[in-house]
Amino acid sequence: DAKTTQPPSMDCAEGRAANLPCNHSTISGNEYVYWYRQIHSQGPQYIIHGLKNNETNEMASLIITEDRKSSTLILPHATLRDTAVYYCIVRVIEGRRALTFGSGTRLQVQP
Amino acid sequence: GAGVSQTPSNKVTEKGKYVELRCDPISGHTALYWYRQSLGQGPEFLIYFQGTGAADDSGLPNDRFFAVRPEGSVSTLKIQRTERGDSAVYLCASSFTGLTEAFFGQGTRLTVV
Repeated sequence: DAKTTQPPSMDCAEGRAANLPCNHSTISGNEYVYWYRQIHSQGPQYIIHGLKNNETNEMASLIITEDRKSSTLILPHATLRDTAVYYCIVRVIEGRRALTFGSGTRLQVQP
Repeated sequence: GAGVSQTPSNKVTEKGKYVELRCDPISGHTALYWYRQSLGQGPEFLIYFQGTGAADDSGLPNDRFFAVRPEGSVSTLKIQRTERGDSAVYLCASSFTGLTEAFFGQGTRLTVV
């Protein structure tokens, strides 16, 4: 699976949009971009995934660049409960492989 | 239950002892994963089951670690001759087919003293 690069930490003001970047310049055509988050002392939680089109669900939006070498997870109105480590993961669907986590971005939402 | 259940939530054991960690996946999920997470690190893959068989055990660090899933539901991670370096949170996840999103349990915190 392709390697991802994320900033180690970010701050965001409560109520503002949080934009979390991820670089995956070696991504292959059959690899999806997944985002998970891990709130302190809990297991990781699925947020969203996509292949090449932008995706939106009740939690977040995922914007993937046209060349698919980077993506941005957007939390439109961050709350204190969104404070967590966010993991960007690139994963091949075929072969049903497990997720490979990196170090993620620690997002701190400030009141 | 509605989610992935892991027991015990905490386990303290002495160096050299044998431990078993249990995972109850979401009912009907065929794929099951074990990860371990050290402080400040992301989860590290250990083993992946599809049904009863281990589809990928490439993450098991050595032969002291073994996992089973005999009936394709509950899984047990077994660690022999525990070492202090085995101290970590052990996470279990399940997904419907292995192609869909994975749901994680709360983890078992293992401390080897």
